[in-house]
Amino acid sequence: AQKVTQAQTEISVVEKEDVTLDCVYETRDTTYYLFWYKQPPSGELVFLIRRNSFDEQNEISGRYSWNFQKSTSSFNFTITASQVVDSAVYFCALSESSAGSARQLTFGSGTQLTVLP
Amino acid sequence: NAGVTQTPKFQVLKTGQSMTLQCAQDMNHEYMSWYRQDPGMGLRLIHYSVGAGITDQGEVPNGYNVSRSTTEDFPLRLLSAAPSQTSVYFCASSYDVASLSYEQYFGPGTRLTVT
Repeated sequence: AQKVTQAQTEISVVEKEDVTLDCVYETRDTTYYLFWYKQPPSGELVFLIRRNSFDEQNEISGRYSWNFQKSTSSFNFTITASQVVDSAVYFCALSESSAGSARQLTFGSGTQLTVLP
Repeated sequence: NAGVTQTPKFQVLKTGQSMTLQCAQDMNHEYMSWYRQDPGMGLRLIHYSVGAGITDQGEVPNGYNVSRSTTEDFPLRLLSAAPSQTSVYFCASSYDVASLSYEQYFGPGTRLTVT
């Protein structure tokens, strides 16, 4: 069964600090997909990134970067020079792709990030 | 495109009442799903559908029914509301049915309170 763990329930940083959100996953599949979503205070869910299990290249998008390490089953998310607008709940999620696997996305419990001015 | 729409945005029910949460998408996505979000528990899958006429249970299906008569619509029915069903409900759709390799598009959510 697939599982996603986000051990950091809440993180608070001061603006311009860097912050890393941790995500550890469990799966028996060799083919799977990892996602990060952002949920700002307004409540909607915003897709940030998708990564497949065969692509371990790190990705950078502006102030956001993602570190995918299969050896440790982790897919961590770093925000550089954080801003108040980054305050949100961030979810890591996993879907498996093998034949017979459930067609479902499993979410972690989320990390509440608060960026203080 | 409107994307994924949900109605109502807010709802208060009394224990034992039934109701239907509506979800529609205009992206011609085959995959649709319903999640509930509770504090500290992330989003948990209730039911999902891989196409018209095909539905399946997710992690927390008890107390909920779904049907998929068209590609566009995927309503969620609460049969007899209980306080434990107080939650925020999200509907989502996705392009890829086979592997869920593409992101899911989420509706704005319905905040349900059962008293």
